[in-house]
Amino acid sequence: NAGVTQTPKFQVLKTGQSMTLQCAQDMNHNSMYWYRQDPGMGLRLIYYSASEGTTDKGEVPNGYNVSRLNKREFSLRLESAAPSQTSVYFCASTSGQGPRGNEKLFFGSGTQLSVL
Amino acid sequence: DAKTTQPPSMDCAEGRAANLPCNHSTISGNEYVYWYRQIHSQGPQYIIHGLKNNETNEMASLIITEDRKSSTLILPHATLRDTAVYYCIAMGSNDYKLSFGAGTTVTVRA
Repeated sequence: NAGVTQTPKFQVLKTGQSMTLQCAQDMNHNSMYWYRQDPGMGLRLIYYSASEGTTDKGEVPNGYNVSRLNKREFSLRLESAAPSQTSVYFCASTSGQGPRGNEKLFFGSGTQLSVL
Repeated sequence: DAKTTQPPSMDCAEGRAANLPCNHSTISGNEYVYWYRQIHSQGPQYIIHGLKNNETNEMASLIITEDRKSSTLILPHATLRDTAVYYCIAMGSNDYKLSFGAGTTVTVRA
């Protein structure tokens, strides 16, 4: 049982390049999330998907797009990378069982992205 | 989701109990208190959560005050491997837009 899997683990981009971060979960979870974490700071929500077929903006969505490909997969795309997007990106999922507030977040191991 | 306030850092001696405070004075009745921790730059890991009652699991204990305005995470016998950033968050029934603050950096010293 792999949990939440993110690829790649590391990536270096030049300004203006595009790339897609992949995330997949094998826990049959309904909700999935993308976060970014800058040095010394907490995690800020970029986008989330409450269920398959839906996506919504989080706290810091500018410069990103997402796709909920199916129930398992939720990808994050940078269309034109900027140095300000240098960060560690985490994907997470929640079970969606029972009341919304009684769910655990499961996180992937992160993608370290540098934009030069 | 209710805002939570945590001290930025604290030290703990190995083998002693670590008591991590969290204030959540604006918490609503349907919001749970959750604790996660992040070791190095790994993804955050769930520790424990509760609504009203105190909770205990194999990792920690959670003490929630009767008015639910604050809580304490207790690591009963801290080890060097407990050195991490600990996050306290309040999560309710409509909370999808959930972000984590800076948390408390706990350093366990030998």
